[in-house]
Order: sequence, then structure tokens, then C-alpha cells
Amino acid sequence: GDSVTQMEGPVTLSEEACLTINCTYTATGYPSLFWYVQYPGEGLQLLLKATKADDKGSNKGFEATYRKETTSFHLEKGSVQVSDSAVYFCALRRSGGSQGNLIFGKGTKLSVKP
Amino acid sequence: SQTIHQWPATLVQPVGSPLSLECTVEGTSNPNLYWYRQAAGRGLQLLFYSVGIGQISSEVPQNLSASRPQDRQFILSSKKLLLSDSGFYLCAWKQGAITEAFFGQGTRLTVV
Repeated sequence: GDSVTQMEGPVTLSEEACLTINCTYTATGYPSLFWYVQYPGEGLQLLLKATKADDKGSNKGFEATYRKETTSFHLEKGSVQVSDSAVYFCALRRSGGSQGNLIFGKGTKLSVKP
Repeated sequence: SQTIHQWPATLVQPVGSPLSLECTVEGTSNPNLYWYRQAAGRGLQLLFYSVGIGQISSEVPQNLSASRPQDRQFILSSKKLLLSDSGFYLCAWKQGAITEAFFGQGTRLTVV
């Protein structure tokens, strides 16, 4: 079945360091891909998305490119801030169907130290 | 604009007690509604989804049930809670052609 695999955490970085969180997926058809962020004690917020191959999603300095050839959607940021500390979830939405169910990875906890 | 409300924010319940978590969506009609659980050390697991009033699909067998008595209301219930029901429960909605889902603030349930 469809699945999402993302790198295990936790990830601890110093402020202004570069961030990469790997995400790969297995899916039939052409899924849409997402990164959600969960700040401490809160629900999930959509960070960015890409709906077709080679699309690049970007928001708040984060970027991810939909790579169909490697079935990947890695999250990157050139310079992280303490306020980026959160749990990041990679997700896919199956193409077709009416339910639009999202399948999530297990999440990667990021801690940024000043 | 659309908003989603989920309550309570935190809940501590004894083993064997009943549970009712409520989620309501405003500003949209006929949304798809979802209940997810995030257990400690694990990712997000889809528990139930609903594409319309009275229509509930369960993704995993468990001690919980869901109901959708109104178009924009989604309720998660249990008759007798287990310790393993502890976790962070998230309600979400999406609208048809829109690809992303929108989440509530979550309910942290601790069963003691």
C-alpha cells in the first residue's frame, strides 16, 4: 500500500545551520505531497505542498521539490531559527478517490539551539 | 473563512470511563472529516473518516467509534477507555478538490 518514510529524529541544530529532512514515498499513480509542521502543544499546520512532479513547494524559507524519479520530497532550509523547533510530518494524498485521505510519515522532531 | 474547532484541549480520564471528543467546522459545507491519533513515539494514524452525514469509515479496528450527526460535526467516542487510548487526537477537514487537509488544535487525552 501507499506509505511515507521520513528520517528518524530527533534532529538538533544550531541556529543558522542548514536543514534537510529526508522523505520518500511509495504510491501508485500520482500523489500530491505535503509537509506539515506541529509546534509544541498545537495541531498540524500545512507548511508547503506540491501536486505534480518537479513542482517546488516553498514557505517561510522552507523548500521541497517533488522528485518522481527518486520518489522523494525532502524538506530543506538554508538557515534555521529557534522558532523552527517543531515536529515535521511528510504526507501524501492518493490520487483519485473521494476520500482524499492523507498518509503521514512518523514525524521528525527538530530542535534548534541558540 | 473556514475554521475548525476541537474540544476539549486536554482531558484526563480513568480507565473504563466513556469518552466524547467533538469537532466542528465552520464556513464550509459537505466537508470530508477525519480523526487522527498521534500516540507517543509514533506518527499520525488515521482512525476514521467521513464523506457525509452518517457515513463513517474506520481505518483500523479499535476501542473507539465515530459519528457524524450533522454535516459539520464529527464526534469521537468510546464506551470504556483503555490505557492504550492515551494520545493526541486531531480532527481535520478537507473539501473535495482541495488537496490539503486543515487540522484542529488537537486534544491531549491521558487515560489513567
